[in-house]
Amino acid sequence: GQNIDQPTEMTATEGAIVQINCTYQTSGFNGLFWYQQHAGEAPTFLSYNVLDGLEEKGRFSSFLSRSKGYSYLLLKELQMKDSASYLCAVRGGGGGADGLTFGKGTHLIIQP
Amino acid sequence: EAQVTQNPRYLITVTGKKLTVTCSQNMNHEYMSWYRQDPGLGLRQIYYSMNVEVTDKGDVPEGYKVSRKEKRNFPLILESPSPNQTSLYFCASRAYTNQPQHFGDGTRLSIL
Repeated sequence: GQNIDQPTEMTATEGAIVQINCTYQTSGFNGLFWYQQHAGEAPTFLSYNVLDGLEEKGRFSSFLSRSKGYSYLLLKELQMKDSASYLCAVRGGGGGADGLTFGKGTHLIIQP
Repeated sequence: EAQVTQNPRYLITVTGKKLTVTCSQNMNHEYMSWYRQDPGLGLRQIYYSMNVEVTDKGDVPEGYKVSRKEKRNFPLILESPSPNQTSLYFCASRAYTNQPQHFGDGTRLSIL
């Protein structure tokens, strides 16, 4: 089966840095995605990792360790608009019809 | 503008009254999916299509039907809706296996 774990909720301060972790156990691995979702809106794509290491995109970075079944999303210079849910999704060898399974999401609250 | 369009955005209806949620994409994507999102459960895939006339069940297909007669359209059909199908529904499309999903704006269904 597929299992993806993320913390349910995190709180951070404007201007600071926050790291959102994701661990997964899947049958096979073909890539990991991070999405951002504001309340009541559609998820939007943030990053994709298929090889080990860090991918940096402006204020957002994502890291993958396939041997540990672990990824994190790092958000720097936090802004109030970063308050949202962050979804980790893994494309494995099973799960849904196309093998993509979403975690339940981490609700990030940014405080002034 | 590249987009996935869902209609309606909101619908309140009654048990047993057949309904269809339409989804259309203008990016010529092969892959399309339907998800439902419920509090505490995250995004779960209902059905998936990898091309015209090719569909497959996701994790929660019971009570739903889909069709893919044209590449751009992927309607979700609830033949006899029940209250446990009250949820937020998202349609998504993507080009290839390692490409991110593009999501529609969502359809909030309430079945009374």
